[in-house]
Amino acid sequence: GAVVSQHPSWVICKSGTSVKIECRSLDFQATTMFWYRQFPKQSLMLMATSNEGSKATYEQGVEKDKFLINHASLTLSTLTVTSAHPEDSSFYICSARTLEAGPQHFGDGTRLSIL
Amino acid sequence: GQNIDQPTEMTATEGAIVQINCTYQTSGFNGLFWYQQHAGEAPTFLSYNVLDGLEEKGRFSSFLSRSKGYSYLLLKELQMKDSASYLCAVTDSNYQLIWGAGTKLIIKP
Repeated sequence: GAVVSQHPSWVICKSGTSVKIECRSLDFQATTMFWYRQFPKQSLMLMATSNEGSKATYEQGVEKDKFLINHASLTLSTLTVTSAHPEDSSFYICSARTLEAGPQHFGDGTRLSIL
Repeated sequence: GQNIDQPTEMTATEGAIVQINCTYQTSGFNGLFWYQQHAGEAPTFLSYNVLDGLEEKGRFSSFLSRSKGYSYLLLKELQMKDSASYLCAVTDSNYQLIWGAGTKLIIKP
């Protein structure tokens, strides 16, 4: 149980392109979903927290106009990196949880490379 | 401020036992988690402790002492595939998950 599916796994695109990443909880309803970014050999960095049906809460320093998050249902959240540039290249990982005090279950991550 | 401390790196031998410690100082406590993260992959959930004591799950066990703000992850019968980073994380009173920086575990034959 507690499977989170994230697509795509890999994205390579040109600078200026917008990229959408999907995160789905397959066998449970996720009241809260999280988006993280991780650079090589660095710690996970929380970008934003999203609750179904409400606006996402962004961490300090994360541009909400650049990283658009939509959490339209209890099983789906999307992250859109708008007008991506090479410095946005990173490993983006989503996670989902049902209970406030419960564990976060992670998707497999999306490796984004902007040329 | 909120803080989670764990060693940066540890080395152990295949077949042996290793204990990875985690100490925390957070605004309230609603549970402690251990995650495993292999290089280039997303974290996977290992264990959850909310009450004091030891939780055992196969070769992995996790211990919690809330009064001491302390936890450890115990890995027995180490295998080469256990080489990974191990992340300690605590849920605070606002149900925010505070992450440690992770302990890189290197297993040698």
